[in-house]
Amino acid sequence: KNEVEQSPQNLTAQEGEFITINCSYSVGISALHWLQQHPGGGIVSLFMLSSGKKKHGRLIATINIQEKHSSLHITASHPRDSAVYICAAVTSGSRLTFGEGTQLTVNP
Amino acid sequence: KAGVTQTPRYLIKTRGQQVTLSCSPISGHRSVSWYQQTPGQGLQFLFEYFSETQRNKGNFPGRFSGRQFSNSRSEMNVSTLELGDSALYLCASSSALGNYGYTFGSGTRLTVV
Repeated sequence: KNEVEQSPQNLTAQEGEFITINCSYSVGISALHWLQQHPGGGIVSLFMLSSGKKKHGRLIATINIQEKHSSLHITASHPRDSAVYICAAVTSGSRLTFGEGTQLTVNP
Repeated sequence: KAGVTQTPRYLIKTRGQQVTLSCSPISGHRSVSWYQQTPGQGLQFLFEYFSETQRNKGNFPGRFSGRQFSNSRSEMNVSTLELGDSALYLCASSSALGNYGYTFGSGTRLTVV
């Protein structure tokens, strides 16, 4: 069992839909990152969370430390949101342990 | 403000050769970490450097090594290349160790033939 697991692996949505991507972890962490990767490989850091909830534009990230679970929500999804979304847990000091990623496709 | 710069962007090497990849962090950032991304294994942590010292290391063989210079630029080296080393190698910089945000470079795509 991976230390960090994401679901779903693939997600297809229609433009405007509300999207949720889930991340569960089985190890102690000091923080959790949500990352976005576009074709070509470039990675953008969306959020870093150690508790509660953060919001940036149409993106919302939440974390429940007791339940070892985090979610990334996208409101009013748009085709430009199509990308791979990856959660990464900060373990063993500052080491990142990654989930498998969620391939999101938003159709117009 | 310049981002994290990785060079080269693409590289083709032959089995048995060695390769050196470079990462220049954001100005003022002192922590540089390296990651390998493959279709089979996903993203995996290689190592992290801070103030020219390796602070953390992932589960990779000794063929993978790195270093950091006094200007915080970092290099990673892979010796005796194997086909399975073909991957996207990403580095990220952070202002310090611990719970700080990371900025990723665009990566170096290494193909071993």
